[in-house]
Order: sequence, then structure tokens, then C-alpha cells
Amino acid sequence: KAGVTQTPRYLIKTRGQQVTLSCSPISGHRSVSWYQQTPGQGLQFLFEYFSETQRNKGNFPGRFSGRQFSNSRSEMNVSTLELGDSALYLCASSSGLRAESNEKLFFGSGTQLSVL
Amino acid sequence: GQQVMQIPQYQHVQEGEDFTTYCNSSTTLSNIQWYKQRPGGHPVFLIQLVKSGEVKKQKRLTFQFGEAKKNSSLHITATQTTDVGTYFCAGGTIYNQGGKLIFGQGTELSVKP
Repeated sequence: KAGVTQTPRYLIKTRGQQVTLSCSPISGHRSVSWYQQTPGQGLQFLFEYFSETQRNKGNFPGRFSGRQFSNSRSEMNVSTLELGDSALYLCASSSGLRAESNEKLFFGSGTQLSVL
Repeated sequence: GQQVMQIPQYQHVQEGEDFTTYCNSSTTLSNIQWYKQRPGGHPVFLIQLVKSGEVKKQKRLTFQFGEAKKNSSLHITATQTTDVGTYFCAGGTIYNQGGKLIFGQGTELSVKP
């Protein structure tokens, strides 16, 4: 069974640009969550999608958005990039059959975003 | 807002020594999960605790969930170099408090051979 796949693995952008990250969950999983990881800050929850609907949202500005497709694949978009957006963006999938807070997460390898 | 605090942030031990990391939540949790992230890797699920006062063991790793379901600990006995990495706890909030999984800041463990 294939794991969670994130593309691209690395990305370099400049301030003001926008970026789209992609995540394919484990086959059969319907919930996809996105996290931002920076050194010393742990994993900050961005949002969770289930059945193409945003089910939960963290405390990030509106520049961060996402969506989920009918095949459960998800994309995350960051517009008007700032230097502080440089981070590892992790996607995690779960079956979605229970509340997100009660299910174990399977993480992808992440996309390392550098904003110059 | 809801927070899960994890200490210490860093721990350096000699191989063979024990290691413990602690998590504390400001609110009662529905469950606590533990993840391990190797250097350059991604978080990998270790275990989930659901019941008040629950204790689970995985070989040299012992996980505890507090009686009030607000704190948890991970203890590693006789560390090995393979234990190197960052250990995260993640607290599940009750549905009427958002139903989210909130991660602690992690404890980075280094083991000197």
C-alpha cells in the first residue's frame, strides 16, 4: 500500500509569489490535514479536509488556503509569500471515519519551502 | 487558545541512560498520541492512549496518560543511538472544543555513543 505522497519535495520561491503544494493520501483515506513545521515551533495545524470539505481550520491568515478533490487528493496554496512562510509543509492522511483528533495520522515526507 | 506544552525542548544523553519527555495540556484531552521524527524524516505514529491513567509499553518505551487526561509522558529505558530523533506528543481536543489534534513543540533527543 503506497504511503502519503507529497510533491514537490523542495521549492524555492521569492517574496510575493504564490505556491501550490500537492498531497495524495493513502488509498482509501478520506481525510487530509496540513501542518507547517518550523524549527522550535513544532507542528502547527493549518486545516483538515474531509470529503472535499474543510472540516477544521487552524489560526493561519487567509493567504493559506486549500482544497480537496473527489479522489481525496489535496492541494494547499499560499499566496503573496513572505519570508516567514519558509518551512516544511507536511500533509497527513487518515481514514476520516472518526473525528480527526482521535485518529492516528500518516504523514508524507513534506515539501520544504524556501522563500527568498 | 488550547495548548499542549512539551518539555524539555532538547535532551542530550549518553547511550544507556534513560530519557523522559513530558506533555501538559491546558484542557482535558480525548486522547494523546506520540510520534517520532528521525532527522530529515517525517513524523511516524508510535502509540495512542485513550483511557485515564493508561500505561502502555513498547519494548524500552513506556507511555503514560495522566488521571485527569491532561498530561502524558514518554520514558525510554537504556537509550540507544537508534532512538535519536524528535518526539512529539499530540493531544486530541474534545469535539466541542474544536476536535483537533494539537502537537507539542517536540523534544529533540540526541544520544552519544
